[in-house]
Amino acid sequence: GAVVSQHPSWVICKSGTSVKIECRSLDFQATTMFWYRQFPKQSLMLMATSNEGSKATYEQGVEKDKFLINHASLTLSTLTVTSAHPEDSSFYICSAYLWDSPEAFFGQGTRLTVV
Amino acid sequence: AQKVTQAQTEISVVEKEDVTLDCVYETRDTTYYLFWYKQPPSGELVFLIRRNSFDEQNEISGRYSWNFQKSTSSFNFTITASQVVDSAVYFCALSAWGTGGFKTIFGAGTRLFVKA
Repeated sequence: GAVVSQHPSWVICKSGTSVKIECRSLDFQATTMFWYRQFPKQSLMLMATSNEGSKATYEQGVEKDKFLINHASLTLSTLTVTSAHPEDSSFYICSAYLWDSPEAFFGQGTRLTVV
Repeated sequence: AQKVTQAQTEISVVEKEDVTLDCVYETRDTTYYLFWYKQPPSGELVFLIRRNSFDEQNEISGRYSWNFQKSTSSFNFTITASQVVDSAVYFCALSAWGTGGFKTIFGAGTRLFVKA
């Protein structure tokens, strides 16, 4: 099956700094990728849809200036958490679809801790 | 609007018991896809099954079985003879075309504890 890889798997950063998370489709091209956030013991909440070569589409309530998404190539989308604060600590997961399949392939997730 | 409801927050069973996880969905689309995922403590999502809206045939895979009923908008998941390794959070998900494109949304999840 298709493989989606996220990096890093976990990161600890100081409050006020920015953190970049990468999501790569390893063996297929993905014009669209999705970013989810999962707080402890909660569900995955869709944050935004990342579109290759164009602006991301953010879900209601997600601050686009805080969560910067760049989808510069067909195999890479990045999520940058700017000026991170402890309340941004969460598990972030990306996903992508094969062009002919409705099944989403998920990265292994990135656990962000802001101290 | 699309919505997935997993009313059971936590379920605790003893090993070898059967357990059913409920999932009810809402969508106006006639074409949609339903999924079940397992999320162990590591956090990585493990795909279990996919069903499209035109295929109501139930499926069995080993100890796992799924019951899809469009009439009640339900897609329930049964684990037969549960094992400790089945302990995890299970998510039901719906993929459909909504406002802004094709998306997958998740239910709140059901945390399953299987005790030895």
